[in-house]
Formats: sequence, C-alpha cells, structure tokens
Amino acid sequence: DQQVKQNSPSLSVQEGRISILNCDYTNSMFDYFLWYKKYPAEGPTFLISISSIKDKNEDGRFTVFLNKSAKHLSLHIVPSQPGDSAVYFCAAGDWGAQKLVFGQGTRLTINP
Amino acid sequence: EAGVVQSPRYKIIEKKQPVAFWCNPISGHNTLYWYRQNLGQGPELLIRYENEEAVDDSQLPKDRFSAERLKGVDSTLKIQPAELGDSAVYLCASSKPPGELFFGEGSRLTVL
Repeated sequence: DQQVKQNSPSLSVQEGRISILNCDYTNSMFDYFLWYKKYPAEGPTFLISISSIKDKNEDGRFTVFLNKSAKHLSLHIVPSQPGDSAVYFCAAGDWGAQKLVFGQGTRLTINP
Repeated sequence: EAGVVQSPRYKIIEKKQPVAFWCNPISGHNTLYWYRQNLGQGPELLIRYENEEAVDDSQLPKDRFSAERLKGVDSTLKIQPAELGDSAVYLCASSKPPGELFFGEGSRLTVL
C-alpha cells in the first residue's frame, strides 16, 4: 500500500529548461506536502512545501503545484541548473500528526 | 545552528551481530524520527518520539529492533541480531512542530 508515488524513477533535462517532477498520493487525509532534495551520501534536505489550503507555492526557481481533486502535486524548477542534479523525494502527511510518508524518489539529471 | 548529527556514518557487520546508531537532534527540537531507506526507495518511518515518549513505533520490527531517547534529547537505535535484509541507510530527523523535518546525513549499514 504505497500512499505516495513518484512514477518516474529518473528524469533528464537540459540546463536552462524547465524540470517538472510529479507525485501522486492516495490518502485524502494528507494536508501537508513537501519536496526534499538528496545528494549522494547526504541526508535529504527540505526544499519547499505546500498546505492543502493552497494550490501553488513559489520559492525562487522552485514552484510546487497541488491538485487536490486529482491527488497530484508537481515540482517545477525554472531554469534548471547543473546543481539541481539530485534525487527528489515527494512527502505527504498529516500536519497535526507530524507524520510524513515519502515517495520512492526521482533522480533528476541536468545536462549542460 | 548545528544540524542533526548521526554516527557512525558507515558500519559493516556480519549477520547475527548487534549494531547501534546514535542521533543528536537539533537543539530545541522535541520531535525525533528514525527512518530507514532501502536502496532505490524513499525513507520509511521506523519510530517517532515526542520528547522521550515513543508515540509511533508501529513500523518498528520489535523482535530485533529497539530504540530509546533518554532525557528527550539524544536517541539510539539498536538492531540485535542483524539480518542481511537490514542493510540500508538509517536516517534520523528532528522537527519543532509544526514544521518540516531536518535530516542527518544517515548511517549506512551493510550486513554481510
């Protein structure tokens, strides 16, 4: 029972273009969604979040979109830079319970 | 502000041996998590502490895994005896609710 799914194990994007990472969830009780970025041999680091009362949140080059009816969220990175090459994890949870469920991750590679 | 500190970073043991991992959370963070990340997968929650109380240990294999958080600060995760399938990265995270989780660099366990 995988409550959070990232169906694309990998994504390759040219430098300067837009990267779009997708995530689907099944639990309608989830009200808080986050994206984490992970470099090799490091722990995941927080990137951006969104609560269920919003449908968009921006932070510099990073924007997260939430479609509650479709139980889908996406992360847009514009423009993509070589340093963005990493594994990106989507996470969802119950804000009050402070419990997060993670997706399997998508490996993003930015090509020069 | 110091981040979440974990040790050891790497551990190689033979099956049936015991192993322990230590975590020091960010100062002031009263919620502490242990996650396990298998190769190619997202982190999966093992146990969550609120101060010194384990409030969610439903995913902890209690026959061989144990954890403690003395005085509501540092935490130790123990596996005894280790099995081949326990090879993974063990991640500690802390948070100051409500808010995102901050992860340590992880402890990579290899069981031979």
